[in-house]
Amino acid sequence: GDSVTQMEGPVTLSEEAFLTINCTYTATGYPSLFWYVQYPGEGLQLLLKATKADDKGSNKGFEATYRKETTSFHLEKGSVQVSDSAVYFCALSEWQAGTALIFGKGTTLSVSS
Amino acid sequence: IAGITQAPTSQILAAGRRMTLRCTQDMRHNAMYWYRQDLGLGLRLIHYSNTAGTTGKGEVPDGYSVSRANTDDFPLTLASAVPSQTSVYFCASGSSGAGANVLTFGAGSRLTVL
Repeated sequence: GDSVTQMEGPVTLSEEAFLTINCTYTATGYPSLFWYVQYPGEGLQLLLKATKADDKGSNKGFEATYRKETTSFHLEKGSVQVSDSAVYFCALSEWQAGTALIFGKGTTLSVSS
Repeated sequence: IAGITQAPTSQILAAGRRMTLRCTQDMRHNAMYWYRQDLGLGLRLIHYSNTAGTTGKGEVPDGYSVSRANTDDFPLTLASAVPSQTSVYFCASGSSGAGANVLTFGAGSRLTVL
């Protein structure tokens, strides 16, 4: 079945450092790909998405490119801030109607000043 | 109400008791979902509903039941709670049409079963 694998955390960075969180997926069809973020004590919020190969999703300085050839959707940010400290989830959804999101296990990011 | 409301926010429950977690959305989304979040396991789908009147089983449905009497409400019931059901439960909703299935999540219900 479909699955998402993301890098184990926690990831600890200093403010203004470069961030990469790796995500790869296995899917039978042509999935849409997502990154969700969960701040402490809150639910998940959509950070960005991409619906087809070579699409780049971006939001709040974060970017991820849908790479079909490597089945990857790595999250990047050029300069992290303390306020980016959160848990980040990579997820996929197949194209068919009515399918739920399948999530990776999450990566905790901690940014210190 | 704006988005998804879950209740209760937190609950401590004795094993063997019955518990219903409530979820209400005001976005007229036709699809709704229940996930549980556990450390090291991420989010796992318990049950889902693509439209009012229909429900389906997710990855970890055992010990849980749901109903979808109308578009807005999607309660999750634990008939006889066990300690392994200690978790944070998230309700979500989205449009079930083909395409990028963006979900909106509630703030979660933290359940502890003793």
